[in-house]
Amino acid sequence: AQSVSQHNHHVILSEAASLELGCNYSYGGTVNLFWYVQYPGQHLQLLLKYFSGDPLVKGIKGFEAEFIKSKFSFNLRKPSVQWSDTAEYFCAVMGNTGKLIFGQGTTLQVKP
Amino acid sequence: EAGVAQSPRYKIIEKRQSVAFWCNPISGHATLYWYQQILGQGPKLLIQFQNNGVVDDSQLPKDRFSAERLKGVDSTLKIQPAKLEDSAVYLCASRPFGLAVSSYNEQFFGPGTRLTVL
Repeated sequence: AQSVSQHNHHVILSEAASLELGCNYSYGGTVNLFWYVQYPGQHLQLLLKYFSGDPLVKGIKGFEAEFIKSKFSFNLRKPSVQWSDTAEYFCAVMGNTGKLIFGQGTTLQVKP
Repeated sequence: EAGVAQSPRYKIIEKRQSVAFWCNPISGHATLYWYQQILGQGPKLLIQFQNNGVVDDSQLPKDRFSAERLKGVDSTLKIQPAKLEDSAVYLCASRPFGLAVSSYNEQFFGPGTRLTVL
């Protein structure tokens, strides 16, 4: 069965600090990988996605993620966070059924 | 391009009452999903439609939840009767193409309906 595990439930950083959110998945076949963000009071938005090709993918707002197939990981990174990055972040995996499986989410709080 | 529309945005009911949510996906999107997001958790798929047919409803509590997409466009999700543990945000999402893994696999989410069961 597919599953997604996010390592951190709650992360607190100061502005300009670097961010890395861990995500590991369990699935035996071809996967598509996603990071979604949910800002306070807003709906889920796609940050970035990996389908194939270059394992380092860049998304919106300076975020990037690296797919490491051997480690079943898809960690999210940002070199320098801003207060406006305060949100909840969800890693998700989609297999060949078109079904999205989400991790439990990581709440990021950035202090000004 | 208009996004996924959902209504109502908020609903408060008492346990054992019934409630219905409506979703209008992005025009032309063949695949429609309903998710349940309990506070502090990631969204969990309830049901997946491909046009007007059900693809996956394995996690839908069928004794109380039902969903339909009769004309392959908009969809309704119903809970009857509601329980306290149904308090959650119900998200609708749509995707343009079918089931095959492809570069068009992105799902677009609506704003959700926040349900509170008292």
